[in-house]
Amino acid sequence: DVKVTQSSRYLVKRTGEKVFLECVQDMDHENMFWYRQDPGLGLRLIYFSYDVKMKEKGDIPEGYSVSREKKERFSLILESASTNQTSMYLCASRRATETQYFGPGTRLLVL
Amino acid sequence: DQQVKQNSPSLSVQEGRISILNCDYTNSMFDYFLWYKKYPAEGPTFLISISSIKDKNEDGRFTVFLNKSAKHLSLHIVPSQPGDSAVYFCAASAFNNNDMRFGAGTRLTVKP
Repeated sequence: DVKVTQSSRYLVKRTGEKVFLECVQDMDHENMFWYRQDPGLGLRLIYFSYDVKMKEKGDIPEGYSVSREKKERFSLILESASTNQTSMYLCASRRATETQYFGPGTRLLVL
Repeated sequence: DQQVKQNSPSLSVQEGRISILNCDYTNSMFDYFLWYKKYPAEGPTFLISISSIKDKNEDGRFTVFLNKSAKHLSLHIVPSQPGDSAVYFCAASAFNNNDMRFGAGTRLTVKP
């Protein structure tokens, strides 16, 4: 079974803090993704990576950066958290043309 | 610009009846379509998929229909069960394109 894990289920941070969200997958997938889920907007792609040290911007990359130093790990970084980044963050991974598997999500609250 | 659209934010059906969830897309390069189911406080889980070479794919109570000319797909659940109550996301991707686009989701409520 594919397993995608995220470092935290719930996080509370203050405006201006730097926030790290970690994601690890155990199936040697090339592709990893970060989405945010907001009511009425569905899942919006922030960044994705198709290989180690490679990254591509998704639809809403502003205010975020990512890091992929190892194949199994994909980190999302909020350089300076703002209240409009309060959301559910979902990590996913997949092989090139296969189904995408999601982690359980991190619910982030920025005060 | 949303390339995948689910225009119904919610749907309510009676247990035992059919649930039909709809999805439209704008990118003609999409050739692989999926439906995901999401319960609160959990990540989405894969439900069923269809490639553009087919117009129907069935898996138990779940059937996905694809109309390429209309750029429309639908998910049919028959018979609907209370445990099917969740948010359903439609997703699409293009061959040789690594990313996947999701719709806004439809919240299905199946009443006993």
